[in-house]
Amino acid sequence: DVKVTQSSRYLVKRTGEKVFLECVQDMDHENMFWYRQDPGLGLRLIYFSYDVKMKEKGDIPEGYSVSREKKERFSLILESASTNQTSMYLCATRVGGVDRPQHFGDGTRLSIL
Amino acid sequence: QQQVKQSPQSLIVQKGGISIINCAYENTAFDYFPWYQQFPGKGPALLIAIRPDVSEKKEGRFTISFNKSAKQFSLHIMDSQPGDSATYFCAASITGSSNTGKLIFGQGTTLQVKP
Repeated sequence: DVKVTQSSRYLVKRTGEKVFLECVQDMDHENMFWYRQDPGLGLRLIYFSYDVKMKEKGDIPEGYSVSREKKERFSLILESASTNQTSMYLCATRVGGVDRPQHFGDGTRLSIL
Repeated sequence: QQQVKQSPQSLIVQKGGISIINCAYENTAFDYFPWYQQFPGKGPALLIAIRPDVSEKKEGRFTISFNKSAKQFSLHIMDSQPGDSATYFCAASITGSSNTGKLIFGQGTTLQVKP
């Protein structure tokens, strides 16, 4: 089974802080994704990466950046956290094309106070 | 163009009943339509998927119906069980030849099956 591990289940940070969310996968998948999940808005793609050091903007990249220095690790960075970034953040991986399953972690519930 | 609209937002069904969740899209280039199931506290997981060359796909109690001319597809859960209580997301994408494609998700439907 594919294992996608997100470093924290719950995180509380203050406005203006720099926040790091980490995601690690154990299956050598080339594609990795960061989504945020909000009620009534579904899953919205923030950034994705299809190889080490490669990244592509998703639908809502503003206020976020990402880092992928190793194939198994994909980090989401909130440069200066704001209250409207309070959300559930989900990491996912995929091997192969878009018609292959995406494997999700269990999410990080981030609260910005 | 890139949106997938999902309804209803929430659904309550009695045990043994049929749950129906609908999705609509605009982009006719979409050619892959998966459904993901998410239990509380867990990430979504692929449930079932369809391509537009077929009008229906069935896996156990779960069926996707696809209407290409109407640009709509739906998930039917037959004989719904309390264990089916979860959030369901439809999605769409363009497969093409690239491995860098992305899914466009609907807004999600929270299903509650009452015993």
